[in-house]
Amino acid sequence: EDQVTQSPEALRLQEGESSSLNCSYTVSGLRGLFWYRQDPGKGPEFLFTLYSAGEEKEKERLKATLTKKESFLHITAPKPEDSATYLCAVEYGSGNTGKLIFGQGTTLQVKP
Amino acid sequence: DTEVTQTPKHLVMGMTNKKSLKCEQHMGHRAMYWYKQKAKKPPELMFVYSYEKLSINESVPSRFSPECPNSSLLNLHLHALQPEDSALYLCASSQGWGEKLFFGSGTQLSVL
Repeated sequence: EDQVTQSPEALRLQEGESSSLNCSYTVSGLRGLFWYRQDPGKGPEFLFTLYSAGEEKEKERLKATLTKKESFLHITAPKPEDSATYLCAVEYGSGNTGKLIFGQGTTLQVKP
Repeated sequence: DTEVTQTPKHLVMGMTNKKSLKCEQHMGHRAMYWYKQKAKKPPELMFVYSYEKLSINESVPSRFSPECPNSSLLNLHLHALQPEDSALYLCASSQGWGEKLFFGSGTQLSVL
């Protein structure tokens, strides 16, 4: 069964305490893996797209990596404003339109 | 302009009402989407329009009726909804299928 699983469900960090969020997937024909950030009551905001194993992308305190089975979102020295829900989404399949599955998300709280 | 604008931001309706949600983008994106998101859950795909034609309907009940009047506008017509339809309704757009999604802030819908 095609599946995307994020862990942990919730993460509490002290400001400056680095950590990683995990997104593992079992799909046939990965076409792309997306990371989004969502603040309460708002739509998700795009962070990164990764297409192939070994690929890495960075933006400020965030770094996303991809292997054949999972992706990590590393947060270095987080600040309270990094508090949000982080969603990964996997696009897979063949043909002109693939399928897109969102993971359940990891809710991050960074305390000052 | 990299915004997707949704109106209204909040909507309360009775089960016999008819209402419409509106979405607009001026990024020249050819794919537009409706998602439904319940609290603490990931977005669930409802409909996809590609080049103004409905390309995906994820078995959504007929009380939800999408419409794409032109390449910049997307509507979702609501009729005879149930209380369990209460959710955040998100519109998104992208250059094409498989590209990153730009989400609006959503319409928070309550059905009484």
